[in-house]
Amino acid sequence: GQNIDQPTEMTATEGAIVQINCTYQTSGFNGLFWYQQHAGEAPTFLSYNVLDGLEEKGRFSSFLSRSKGYSYLLLKELQMKDSASYLCAVRLLTGGGNKLTFGTGTQLKVEL
Amino acid sequence: GAVVSQHPSRVICKSGTSVKIECRSLDFQATTMFWYRQFPKKSLMLMATSNEGSKATYEQGVEKDKFLINHASLTLSTLTVTSAHPEDSSFYICSAPARDRGETQYFGPGTRLLVL
Repeated sequence: GQNIDQPTEMTATEGAIVQINCTYQTSGFNGLFWYQQHAGEAPTFLSYNVLDGLEEKGRFSSFLSRSKGYSYLLLKELQMKDSASYLCAVRLLTGGGNKLTFGTGTQLKVEL
Repeated sequence: GAVVSQHPSRVICKSGTSVKIECRSLDFQATTMFWYRQFPKKSLMLMATSNEGSKATYEQGVEKDKFLINHASLTLSTLTVTSAHPEDSSFYICSAPARDRGETQYFGPGTRLLVL
């Protein structure tokens, strides 16, 4: 089966840096996505990694190590609006298309 | 990013009625769309893969006669919850991969269903 793990909750201070980890054990890996989801809203795309290494996009960076089955999302210069759930999702290459399997999500709370 | 719309955004219905939810890709074509449901403070659970011009593929444990999916065109997929019951109350979200954006999946705004 597929298994994707993330911490359930994290708390950080405004202006600080936070790293959200994601470990996975899946078959047919074809990329890893990070999404942000505010309560009651749909997920919004943050980043995508398919090769090992770091992808940087403004205040957000994402890292992937395929050999270790590990990824992290790094958020810099935290703002209050970054309080949300962060979902790690692995894309599985299947016969009919590319399915996403989601982790449990990490609820991030940014405090003053 | 690519735009996916969903309608309605919120629906309240009586037990036993059927509810149809539409998912549209507005600025790209999608031969495949995905339907998820999400319970409060839980992650997204894939229900089924909607395939344009062919039958949907359902995940294990999802009743295909309960959740009817129709992918009538390259920009529209519909999910019908038949004979809805209170336990079907949930947040339903669709997504579509944009082929010209590395197959990144873009999500609709979701539909909150409450069955009384």
